Amino acid sequence: AQSVSQHNHHVILSEAASLELGCNYSYGGTVNLFWYVQYPGQHLQLLLKYFSGDPLVKGIKGFEAEFIKSKFSFNLRKPSVQWSDTAEYFCAVNYGGSQGNLIFGKGTKLSVKP
Amino acid sequence: EPEVTQTPSHQVTQMGQEVILRCVPISNHLYFYWYRQILGQKVEFLVSFYNNEISEKSEIFDDQFSVERPDGSNFTLKIRSTKLEDSAMYFCASSRGTVGYTFGSGTRLTVV
Repeated sequence: AQSVSQHNHHVILSEAASLELGCNYSYGGTVNLFWYVQYPGQHLQLLLKYFSGDPLVKGIKGFEAEFIKSKFSFNLRKPSVQWSDTAEYFCAVNYGGSQGNLIFGKGTKLSVKP
Repeated sequence: EPEVTQTPSHQVTQMGQEVILRCVPISNHLYFYWYRQILGQKVEFLVSFYNNEISEKSEIFDDQFSVERPDGSNFTLKIRSTKLEDSAMYFCASSRGTVGYTFGSGTRLTVV
């Protein structure tokens, strides 16, 4: 079955630390990859997405992600986190031909200490 | 920036009652979706809707669930007879193409 794994349930960092959140997906041919962020009490917001081309994708708020096809991974990175990055981060995958439906990972809660 | 609007933000209902969750997608979007997130769990796909009919649904979307686009602007999710396990945050989303969503802020449904 198609699935998305986010291995870190809760990450705690100090401000200015570097961030990397892991995301792996099960094989399923062509994929489109997304990272969403959910700030406390708010809706899901798109951080970045990968459809094709350069596997290093830059998103909003200084986030980037790298698609490594051989590892079925799409890890999210940020060189220096801020307190305002405290949120839950969701990796999501659309498997080609699935009518655009997204399969989400369980999410990683990020807490940034000021 | 255009938004997907969901109402109400929080609904409490008694077990066995019918609920209707409402969504106003972005006006020029063509694809509409419902997802849900049970507390502490991942976001799960329920149903997608295109051209006035369901295009895909998950195993969660059983006969208790239905969707409608009654007037060309609203997109509703109805749960006919709610169960305790239906308690969750329900997200509506819309997109212009088959990928690239805008999500609403969600409706928190509490079944008591």
